[in-house]
Amino acid sequence: QKEVEQDPGPLSVPEGAIVSLNCTYSNSAFQYFMWYRQYSRKGPELLMYTYSSGNKEDGRFTAQVDKSSKYISLFIRDSQPSDSATYLCAMSPNAGGTSYGKLTFGQGTILTVHP
Amino acid sequence: DTGVSQDPRHKITKRGQNVTFRCDPISEHNRLYWYRQTLGQGPEFLTYFQNEAQLEKSRLLSDRFSAERPKGSFSTLEIQRTEQGDSAMYLCASSRQGPYTFGSGTRLTVV
Repeated sequence: QKEVEQDPGPLSVPEGAIVSLNCTYSNSAFQYFMWYRQYSRKGPELLMYTYSSGNKEDGRFTAQVDKSSKYISLFIRDSQPSDSATYLCAMSPNAGGTSYGKLTFGQGTILTVHP
Repeated sequence: DTGVSQDPRHKITKRGQNVTFRCDPISEHNRLYWYRQTLGQGPEFLTYFQNEAQLEKSRLLSDRFSAERPKGSFSTLEIQRTEQGDSAMYLCASSRQGPYTFGSGTRLTVV
């Protein structure tokens, strides 16, 4: 079993829809949680990061972390065709006093927002 | 600040050949990471440098792989005696403190 599980999709939604992306994990040492967006043939681009449990909002994006359930989510409101990409969740423990170290990624969810 | 730069963007090589990739991190970033991403998968950690010291290596990094970061600036990743299973996107990332910034990657195809 992988440490981080993410439904690969693909997910196809109409423009303006609310999108929900999710990951589950098994390693309780994970403390930092991130969502990256990756366009085709590009490197991942950081969208959101959170520490421990709770919610964080940035524009149309909301990240939620529920450590008790080992479950994280990313919500995209008013989705746009430009949001079409692969979305990767990533996690890191707080190891050795460093805030960020090795990341463990989910498989990625392919999202298509059609006009 | 031009971001994390990786060179080359694409590399096609014959099985058994050696290849070397270069990563130039963001100038003030002291931490540098290499990841490998295969089609349909998330990136997998390979190795991590803090300044010039290589602090962690994944067991994915077999004896055929070696990474260096002389003088704590740019880094190179060399793969010796390439195999078809080495075909992947090799991603470099850098950070100072906090989330890191990825480069666009080097796509390796071993034929």
